[in-house]
Amino acid sequence: DGGITQSPKYLFRKEGQNVTLSCEQNLNHDAMYWYRQDPGQGLRLIYYSQIVNDFQKGDIAEGYSVSREKKESFPLTVTSAQKNPTAFYLCASSHREGNEQFFGPGTRLTVL
Amino acid sequence: GENVEQHPSTLSVQEGDSAVIKCTYSDSASNYFPWYKQELGKGPQLIIDIRSNVGEKKDQRIAVTLNKTAKHFSLHITETQPEDSAVYFCAASEANFGNEKLTFGTGTRLTIIP
Repeated sequence: DGGITQSPKYLFRKEGQNVTLSCEQNLNHDAMYWYRQDPGQGLRLIYYSQIVNDFQKGDIAEGYSVSREKKESFPLTVTSAQKNPTAFYLCASSHREGNEQFFGPGTRLTVL
Repeated sequence: GENVEQHPSTLSVQEGDSAVIKCTYSDSASNYFPWYKQELGKGPQLIIDIRSNVGEKKDQRIAVTLNKTAKHFSLHITETQPEDSAVYFCAASEANFGNEKLTFGTGTRLTIIP
């Protein structure tokens, strides 16, 4: 069953703690993306990676970090430097030569 | 960078009627325009897309039109059904090799009234 998985679906953390969100894909896609979604603001790009061991900042990278050690995995760490981390986080992937992005089911992070 | 504006933010239509959602973009280099449907608590799903070498694309009850000169594109849903209720997002991208970044609109919450 091919697709993108994100875990967990809901995540609660105390303020000041770092937290890592998981994203795995078995679609053999080269590119992977992380978006943040807030009510009424659409999707904003945090980081993206077009190839293993390489990634670029998106529009709102401050307070976040990523790694791309394997083609199928692109974890996102929300650090304590992110001032307003409570949001719905979406991971996506696409073929390098294509444009269609496939999205995972998302992780809702709540920082208490 | 690219800026995408989407209108309206909410739309209610009677079941069976048509719904139209409009987007404008700022970067004339953008050449790929997808539309996504997002149901509550789920990730967005691509429903239709169009590239700048065509002016219209249709898939059953869904169609997208593109006006490159005016830099706007629209989603048309005909014969709406209750399952069409969702949030719809437009996006734009300069779809060249090595640059697959999508810029999204702010979304339209579509409600179909039975």
